[in-house]
Amino acid sequence: QKEVEQDPGPLSVPEGAIVSLNCTYSNSAFQYFMWYRQYSRKGPELLMYTYSSGNKEDGRFTAQVDKSSKYISLFIRDSQPSDSATYLCAMSAAGNKLTFGGGTRVLVKP
Amino acid sequence: EPEVTQTPSHQVTQMGQEVILRCVPISNHLYFYWYRQILGQKVEFLVSFYNNEISEKSEIFDDQFSVERPDGSNFTLKIRSTKLEDSAMYFCAIGTELLSGNTIYFGEGSWLTVV
Repeated sequence: QKEVEQDPGPLSVPEGAIVSLNCTYSNSAFQYFMWYRQYSRKGPELLMYTYSSGNKEDGRFTAQVDKSSKYISLFIRDSQPSDSATYLCAMSAAGNKLTFGGGTRVLVKP
Repeated sequence: EPEVTQTPSHQVTQMGQEVILRCVPISNHLYFYWYRQILGQKVEFLVSFYNNEISEKSEIFDDQFSVERPDGSNFTLKIRSTKLEDSAMYFCAIGTELLSGNTIYFGEGSWLTVV
């Protein structure tokens, strides 16, 4: 079983729709959970960070962590064409080394 | 968000040559990382560097690789005797806190092509 699993997509949605992304993981030691956005041939851009379980909201983005199910989610409301990118989940046990999912490619159609 | 400048943005090198990738954080940080991403694959951890020494490294980071911070600002990754499979995007990342893990920011990357 892979340590972090993420559906590669592509996920295609119309502009204005809610984008729903998720990752599952197997390592129960993970405590820190992050979502990054990556445009083609660019560096990952930190979107959201969550420690342990719970929800966090920042503008159009909501991150959820369910440690009991080893499942994390990212929701993007009112999606825009500029949100078209690859979204990476990443997680860490002690804050030093990040383990990434493979990324989900999202396409928001005007 | 802290800025991280990486050079070169793209380098083509012959197999067997040495390559040095550089990272310049705009502000002072204590924690530095190198990650790589082979085209179409996951971002993979290579090494973390804290207080001028390696704090953790992955299996990928073998004797072919080395890191240093020679002048207190630049953070470099050296790849000796490059192989075709070293072709990847290499990302420098900086962290503001080691234990929290909540603020790891990536540079734009250096695309290395080994021919």
